[in-house]
Amino acid sequence: NAGVTQTPKFRVLKTGQSMTLLCAQDMNHEYMYWYRQDPGMGLRLIHYSVGEGTTAKGEVPDGYNVSRLKKQNFLLGLESAAPSQTSVYFCASTPIAGGAGGYTFGSGTRLTVV
Amino acid sequence: GESVGLHLPTLSVQEGDNSIINCAYSNSASDYFIWYKQESGKGPQFIIDIRSNMDKRQGQRVTVLLNKTVKHLSLQIAATQPGDSAVYFCAENWALGFGNEKLTFGTGTRLTIIP
Repeated sequence: NAGVTQTPKFRVLKTGQSMTLLCAQDMNHEYMYWYRQDPGMGLRLIHYSVGEGTTAKGEVPDGYNVSRLKKQNFLLGLESAAPSQTSVYFCASTPIAGGAGGYTFGSGTRLTVV
Repeated sequence: GESVGLHLPTLSVQEGDNSIINCAYSNSASDYFIWYKQESGKGPQFIIDIRSNMDKRQGQRVTVLLNKTVKHLSLQIAATQPGDSAVYFCAENWALGFGNEKLTFGTGTRLTIIP
C-alpha cells in the first residue's frame, strides 16, 4: 500500500538546469496537487489536476509546468531552475474534491538550486 | 483578504497534559477544514476534518472545534504523548466551481511535548 510516492527525494540543481519531479499514486484518485513548502510558511499550491489530461494553475505557478498524461502520475517540471525555487515540494492526491479524509501527501522532494 | 493564520507559532506542553492549537480563517465561504500533522522530514498527515455544518468533531484523543461566528478553528489533543511532537497545520477548503477546489494552509504551530 504505497499511497503517494515522490521521486527523487533530494536533488541539487545549478541555476538554469531543468528537471522533472514525479508523483505517483496507487489509490485511483482523481485529484492531484503540487505544493511547495518554505521555512516559516505553509504549503502553497503550485498546480493541480482534477483528472487525467487536465491541469490548472494554483497560487504560485510561475516557473513550473505540469502534466497528467496518466491518472496515476502527476509530473512537475522546472524548465530553468532559479535559486528562488529552492524548497521542499509535496505532491498530494484525493479521490474527490473536498472529500472526507483530506488529502494524502507524499514524503516530499527537497530541491536546492545553487 | 483570505488567509489562514495561527495564533501561536510554538507551543510546549507537559507530557500527559492536554494541548490546544488555534487557527483563524478569514474566508467565510470555506466549507471544509482539515488539521494536518507534519513530523520532521515527512509529508503532512491527515488528523481530523470538519465540515462547515458542524461545530465539533471528535477522533481518537483529538477534537476539532469550529466557530463560524468568529471564524476560528481549534485542535485539542488529549493526554499528549512524545509522539505528538510535530508541526500542526490547519487548512481550509473551498470550492471554486466546476470541481475545482482550493486548499489553503496556515503557517503551522510547532508542538513540543516535554517529558
